[in-house]
Amino acid sequence: DVVLTQTPPTLSATIGQSVSISCRSSQSLLHSNGNTYLHWLLQRPGQSPQLLIYSVSRLESGVPNRFSGSGSGTDFTLKISGVEAEDLGVYYCVQGTHAPWTFGGGTKLELK
Amino acid sequence: AVQLVESGGGLVQPKESLKISCAASGFTFSNAAMYWVRQAPGKGLEWVARIRTKPNNYATYYADSVKGRFTISRDDSKSMVYLQMDNLKTEDTAMYYCTAATTGNPWGQGVMVTVSS
Repeated sequence: DVVLTQTPPTLSATIGQSVSISCRSSQSLLHSNGNTYLHWLLQRPGQSPQLLIYSVSRLESGVPNRFSGSGSGTDFTLKISGVEAEDLGVYYCVQGTHAPWTFGGGTKLELK
Repeated sequence: AVQLVESGGGLVQPKESLKISCAASGFTFSNAAMYWVRQAPGKGLEWVARIRTKPNNYATYYADSVKGRFTISRDDSKSMVYLQMDNLKTEDTAMYYCTAATTGNPWGQGVMVTVSS
């Protein structure tokens, strides 16, 4: 199975600070159809996960544009340009290129 | 609005069975592959099972940890997906979420399954 390694496991930020989360895959996530199925989820405390970004860099409808995704192949990054209080929670990368789906271990974003 | 609502969780003893359900609405259910994902207390997310659509023969896939014990199924006429869990183990204790491979990747609120003697 594909292993996704997220770093850092915990991120402390102040409101307004920009932060980045890395997700590295054990193999390329470029599908034979040319798409890369690497997505980012946010799980706020006590809530179910929600989709933020899909296919590396496409912002899900309703998600603020302070969130952005980038990367290719095996290295991907989620950036938050100006953290807000509602952004706190655990971020997961997830890949759907290779069966089965696998998730990164999560990055907990907390207030400094 | 797109919605997934799980039900049927509870407390069971090891080796017992439980069936959980997920009711979908707000999207064309028959066109969407459906998944069950679980989260043990304080842990990360783990994919459990997947069922594809009718054109894909309702093909099913399972995590190694549940293969042979869990069965995923769907009823497109009712927009429902199910997870039959047999021979439950204490390590199956988790919040179980259903999620859909459709626009917005909706997730349900989850249902808690506790396996304990």
